[in-house]
Amino acid sequence: GAVVSQHPSWVICKSGTSVKIECRSLDFQATTMFWYRQFPKQSLMLMATSNEGSKATYEQGVEKDKFLINHASLTLSTLTVTSAHPEDSSFYICSAYVTRQGNTIYFGEGSWLTVV
Amino acid sequence: QKEVEQNSGPLSVPEGAIASLNCTYSDRGSQSFFWYRQYSGKSPELIMSIYSNGDKEDGRFTAQLNKASQYVSLLIRDSQPSDSATYLCAVKPPQGGKLIFGQGTELSVKP
Repeated sequence: GAVVSQHPSWVICKSGTSVKIECRSLDFQATTMFWYRQFPKQSLMLMATSNEGSKATYEQGVEKDKFLINHASLTLSTLTVTSAHPEDSSFYICSAYVTRQGNTIYFGEGSWLTVV
Repeated sequence: QKEVEQNSGPLSVPEGAIASLNCTYSDRGSQSFFWYRQYSGKSPELIMSIYSNGDKEDGRFTAQLNKASQYVSLLIRDSQPSDSATYLCAVKPPQGGKLIFGQGTELSVKP
């Protein structure tokens, strides 16, 4: 069964509004989670590394004020896309290391964001 | 040079054939290697992990690692149409926790 869960699976929002995506680790504690974005027919792009209890580490070129990441507990990380624009429409995926599975990274189901 | 390189494909094989997917990486100190499968519109799912030189088999899948050549491959035996997907090679460098992904190889298995 799934070990990393994301919600919502898809969301449509109006341009200029904010939308929050949740990533939960199921039955294990995740001190570190990773957020990716993927445009159609393109590869995964790492946006940021989410660290429990501390600030996220953003990849070069990713606007930290636009993509707010909060990792307030050992089982939950959230990504908030602020002041969303149509170009933010994408597939957002989180992942986490699962130590009971050989310290392997597992992905959540992903969240499709459409900004209209 | 990209850190992790894969042929983007598409790689087309007939049903029942062996599909061979290849990946090279640049950081010689890397120790952990993974293959993920991603169906269109879905998130990646882990197929295999490999840490030591040689072959590792799991059902129809075999991962092969050659650290001296900085090369990792995935063989899919008796390919099925349901194997049609994009296969992502991922490498964990010696420093840091994030995985480095290749651009993925699109595999098409024709009935």
